[in-house]
Amino acid sequence: DIQLTQSPSFLPASVGDRVTITCRASQGISSYLAWYQQKPGKAPKLLMYAASTLQIGVPSRFSVSGSGTEFTLTVSSLQPEDFATYYCQQLNSYPLTFGGGTKVEIK
Amino acid sequence: EVQLVESGGGLVQPGGSLRLSCTASGFTFSDSYMDWVRQAPGKGLEWVGRIRKKDNSYTTEYAASVKGRFTILRDDSKDSLYLQMSSLETEDTAVYYCVTGGPHRGHDVWGQGSLVTVSS
Repeated sequence: DIQLTQSPSFLPASVGDRVTITCRASQGISSYLAWYQQKPGKAPKLLMYAASTLQIGVPSRFSVSGSGTEFTLTVSSLQPEDFATYYCQQLNSYPLTFGGGTKVEIK
Repeated sequence: EVQLVESGGGLVQPGGSLRLSCTASGFTFSDSYMDWVRQAPGKGLEWVGRIRKKDNSYTTEYAASVKGRFTILRDDSKDSLYLQMSSLETEDTAVYYCVTGGPHRGHDVWGQGSLVTVSS
């Protein structure tokens, strides 16, 4: 199985900060990666997949980069509604697997 | 409106069985791969399994943790997805989400989740 390691697990930040979350795969997954945002008590929301296909309605302050084994999700200027937990998921091979999550919290 | 609505969750004893249902609306269910994803209380997300569409012979994939115990079924005539769970363990306690899927695609539609609690 492909393991995904997200870092950091917790990310204290302030409104307006630029934040970056890393997702590392235990083996190459091309660009077959998705990112999700989850707020407490809610279902996750797909932000993007194929490492660059931004979902409709996702603000342009969110961006991704990477391929192979290392990927990053960047929020250029953190807004109050961006405080949440973020997960990556590999879509390359079965079983599909998720990273452990990164909680972006108010500093 | 594109929507997935789960039902059937509840309390079940270890070793017991339970079936979750998910009803889709607002999109062509029969053209969609469908997955289940779960989340244990306070924990991260875990992909449970997938069922492909008719053109792909309704074939399935499962996580190792549930293979042989869980079965994913669908009824395209009812726009419905099912998760038949048996030999349940306390570790299966989680919110179960019905989600859309597809080859190399993320899960863009999620249900509200259905809580399954396995406890004596």
